Amino acid sequence: DVKVTQSSRYLVKRTGEKVFLECVQDMDHENMFWYRQDPGLGLRLIYFSYDVKMKEKGDIPEGYSVSREKKERFSLILESASTNQTSMYLCASSLGAGRVSTDTQYFGPGTRLTVL
Amino acid sequence: RKEVEQDPGPFNVPEGATVAFNCTYSNSASQSFFWYRQDCRKEPKLLMSVYSSGNEDGRFTAQLNRASQYISLLIRDSKLSDSATYLCVVTMNLPGTYKYIFGTGTRLKVLA
Repeated sequence: DVKVTQSSRYLVKRTGEKVFLECVQDMDHENMFWYRQDPGLGLRLIYFSYDVKMKEKGDIPEGYSVSREKKERFSLILESASTNQTSMYLCASSLGAGRVSTDTQYFGPGTRLTVL
Repeated sequence: RKEVEQDPGPFNVPEGATVAFNCTYSNSASQSFFWYRQDCRKEPKLLMSVYSSGNEDGRFTAQLNRASQYISLLIRDSKLSDSATYLCVVTMNLPGTYKYIFGTGTRLKVLA
């Protein structure tokens, strides 16, 4: 079974803080993704990575950055947290190869981030 | 127009009923199609892929209509445990990249 884990289930931070969300997958997947999910808006892609040290912007990258130093780990960074970044953050991975993929995505349990 | 559209529901159905959801997509270049299930406060999980010829998995049947650009999910003999939000997912290969596009989901409540 594919396992995708996220560092925290719940996180509360203050405006202006730097926030790190970690995601680890154990199936040697090439592709990893960060989404946020908000009521009525569904899942929106923030960033994705199709290889170590590679990253591409998704639909809403503003205010976020990512890091993929190792294949199994994909980190999402909020440089200066703001209240509009309060959301559920979901990490996902897929087998994929290169930059073309139609694989199944496997999700982590999510991190519910509240920015005060 | 949204790239992937779903009726948000909720669909309230009695146990044992048959219920169907549709999902429309706007880009005819869409490649692959999936239904995911998401329980309250949990992560989405793959329910089934949708193949051109249609496919069935137990009580669940998925269909693809490329001409009209929609996919459907039929659930027969609904169980209380089927209560969840069902997300439609469409993927597209684009020049130099690719993307998954999620619908906002259709909420199903199966009532005793």
